[in-house]
Amino acid sequence: AQSVSQHNHHVILSEAASLELGCNYSYGGTVNLFWYVQYPGQHLQLLLKYFSGDPLVKGIKGFEAEFIKSKFSFNLRKPSVQWSDTAEYFCAVKGWGTSGTYKYIFGTGTRLKVLA
Amino acid sequence: DTGVSQDPRHKITKRGQNVTFRCDPISEHNRLYWYRQTLGQGPEFLTYFQNEAQLEKSRLLSDRFSAERPKGSFSTLEIQRTEQGDSAMYLCASSLVPTSASYNEQFFGPGTRLTVL
Repeated sequence: AQSVSQHNHHVILSEAASLELGCNYSYGGTVNLFWYVQYPGQHLQLLLKYFSGDPLVKGIKGFEAEFIKSKFSFNLRKPSVQWSDTAEYFCAVKGWGTSGTYKYIFGTGTRLKVLA
Repeated sequence: DTGVSQDPRHKITKRGQNVTFRCDPISEHNRLYWYRQTLGQGPEFLTYFQNEAQLEKSRLLSDRFSAERPKGSFSTLEIQRTEQGDSAMYLCASSLVPTSASYNEQFFGPGTRLTVL
């Protein structure tokens, strides 16, 4: 079965620290991978996505993620976090349903708190 | 258009009652998705529609759950005979139909938080 694992449930960092959030997926076929962010009191929104091509993808607000096929990983990174990055981050994979249509499978999320 | 809207934002009900939630997608979006999110978990896929056709249903969607999108615009999610385990945030998202050459982002609504007493 397709699944997504996020190993860091809570992360606390000081401003300007570097960030890396882990995401591993299990799926044998062609994968499409996503990171979503949910700021306090706001809707889920797309941070970045990987479909094909360059495994290093850049998203909004200085975030990037690297797809490593051999490790089934899609880790999120940011060189220097800001207080405004405090949010919950979800990794997701596009998987396939039983009828041949697709669906999105989300990880359990990582709560990031950045201290000013 | 201000995005995906959901109504109500909060619903408290007693066990055994029926509840109905509404989702209004972004107007030109023909795909509409329902997810459920419980505390400490990511969103779990429930079902999705392309126009008025319901194309996929998760095993999470028991017989007590039914979703409709009668005119291909707004959608409703009904839960009959609610149980305490149904307490969760119910999220709706919409998108255009993706093509092989492009991806169309899912835009999420604010969710409806259901509490079953």
